[in-house]
Amino acid sequence: KAGVTQTPRYLIKTRGQQVTLSCSPISGHRSVSWYQQTPGQGLQFLFEYFSETQRNKGNFPGRFSGRQFSNSRSEMNVSTLELGDSALYLCASSLVGGVDKNIQYFGAGTRLSVL
Amino acid sequence: GQQVMQIPQYQHVQEGEDFTTYCNSSTTLSNIQWYKQRPGGHPVFLIQLVKSGEVKKQKRLTFQFGEAKKNSSLHITATQTTDVGTYFCAGTMTTDSWGKFQFGAGTQVVVTP
Repeated sequence: KAGVTQTPRYLIKTRGQQVTLSCSPISGHRSVSWYQQTPGQGLQFLFEYFSETQRNKGNFPGRFSGRQFSNSRSEMNVSTLELGDSALYLCASSLVGGVDKNIQYFGAGTRLSVL
Repeated sequence: GQQVMQIPQYQHVQEGEDFTTYCNSSTTLSNIQWYKQRPGGHPVFLIQLVKSGEVKKQKRLTFQFGEAKKNSSLHITATQTTDVGTYFCAGTMTTDSWGKFQFGAGTQVVVTP
């Protein structure tokens, strides 16, 4: 079974631009979560999508948004990029029911650099 | 604020030594998970603990869930250079399927030969 796929792997943008990141979950996983990881800040939860609906949301400004498609693939968008948005963005998929429902399977991430 | 706390933040270990990292929650957890992230990699799921007082082992790694389900520990014996990385715990705050799921800040482990 293929793992979580994130594209692109690396991205360089300038301040003020916008960016869209893509995530394809493991087949059968219907929940997709996004995290921002910066040195010293650990994993900061952005949002979670299930059944094309945002189910949980972290404490990020409205410049960060996401969506999920009917095939469970997800995208996240960051508008008006700031230097502080430079980070590794990780997508994780998980099952929805059962005892393993919260286990996060992470993709390799998209490393975004804002210049 | 941060509800899942991990200590220590950094751990320098001599190869062959044992060490323990701890995860503490301000609220009762329905379950707790541990992940490992190698340098330059992404977090990889290690184990999930669900029951009060549960202990699970994976080779040299021993995971424990506290009786009150508010804390957990990861103990590594005879540390090897392959143990280098950051270990994260993550807990679900309620049994509700919509419950809040939160990662700790991680313990970064450095192993010296």
